Amino acid sequence: EDQVTQSPEALRLQEGESSSLNCSYTVSGLRGLFWYRQDPGKGPEFLFTLYSAGEEKEKERLKATLTKKESFLHITAPKPEDSATYLCADSGNTPLVFGKGTRLSVIA
Amino acid sequence: AAGVIQSPRHLIKEKRETATLKCYPIPRHDTVYWYQQGPGQDPQFLISFYEKMQSDKGSIPDRFSAQQFSDYHSELNMSSLELGDSALYFCASSLEGGPLIFGSGTRLTVV
Repeated sequence: EDQVTQSPEALRLQEGESSSLNCSYTVSGLRGLFWYRQDPGKGPEFLFTLYSAGEEKEKERLKATLTKKESFLHITAPKPEDSATYLCADSGNTPLVFGKGTRLSVIA
Repeated sequence: AAGVIQSPRHLIKEKRETATLKCYPIPRHDTVYWYQQGPGQDPQFLISFYEKMQSDKGSIPDRFSAQQFSDYHSELNMSSLELGDSALYFCASSLEGGPLIFGSGTRLTVV
């Protein structure tokens, strides 16, 4: 069964402490992966689409990478405003099904 | 840039009442989606429309119905409301299989 799994479920970082979030997938013929950020009480905000192994995309302190089996969301020198839940999803899955996400807390 | 517009932002209803949520997708987007998100849960897919025709159906209760109108706006109708229907309801739209763009949501509270 095709699925996307995120880890860890929760991550607590000190401000400036870089880390990575993982999204692993067992999808045959993956056509792409979406990353979203969701703040409490708000709709998911689209961050990146990755289509092929080796692809990388960056936005401010975030960089998303994709291999044949997983994707990483690297957060460099995070700030408290980066605290949110980060979600990934298989872009080829219709309708889009989200994983449980990683709840990131960045402490000043 | 235009975003997905949802109304109302907040809604309080009593049990057994009916609620209607509205969604205005991004212009020229061809697909509209509805998701429900309970406290501490990930968004759960309810239903979608492609070019005004229902395209997919998820775990949507029979008490709920939705449609997309000629001007492309969509409405989610919920009848016989139950306490468990209290949640955030998100609408999203996309173009040609691209990323879903979500609205700010409607927070429904059933009392």
